Amino acid sequence: GDSVTQMEGPVTLSEEAFLTINCTYTATGYPSLFWYVQYPGEGLQLLLKATKADDKGSNKGFEATYRKETTSFHLEKGSVQVSDSAVYFCALSDRDDYKLSFGAGTTVTVRA
Amino acid sequence: GAVVSQHPSWVICKSGTSVKIECRSLDFQATTMFWYRQFPKQSLMLMATSNEGSKATYEQGVEKDKFLINHASLTLSTLTVTSAHPEDSSFYICSARTGNGYTFGSGTRLTVV
Repeated sequence: GDSVTQMEGPVTLSEEAFLTINCTYTATGYPSLFWYVQYPGEGLQLLLKATKADDKGSNKGFEATYRKETTSFHLEKGSVQVSDSAVYFCALSDRDDYKLSFGAGTTVTVRA
Repeated sequence: GAVVSQHPSWVICKSGTSVKIECRSLDFQATTMFWYRQFPKQSLMLMATSNEGSKATYEQGVEKDKFLINHASLTLSTLTVTSAHPEDSSFYICSARTGNGYTFGSGTRLTVV
């Protein structure tokens, strides 16, 4: 079945550092790919998404490119802020049943 | 944008009692609602998929008699944890499909004492 493998955390960074969170997937078809962010005590918020190969999703300085050849969707941000401290989830959606499969989540802590 | 309102945000209940969690789509019709459970520091696990007017489809290993899901209207889906026990303590999140992807409720922290 479909699955998502996400870089394990926790990740601790200093402000203005570069952030990369690796995500690879396994899918039989052509899934849509997502990054969600969860702040403490809250539900998930969509950060960005890509629906086909070579698409680049971007939002709030974060970027991720749908790489079919490497089955990857790595999340990057060039200069993180304290407010970026959260748990980040990579996810894919099977277009047949629209179920979301999530990675394990990566906790990111940014220190001032 | 599409908003799903989830209530309550937290609840504490005694062992053996039942708890109902509601998810309402505020500005759109949610034909499909997904219910997830999240253990501390872990990912979201899909429990079931509900479609308006039909029985929910449960994932393998999820007890349908314990986690009752009702999706009686296009704007309301409910999850009832029946005869709750401490091991049911968790963070429950609903999610609805929208034209642009998915929107999530803010989650319900259930603590069974």
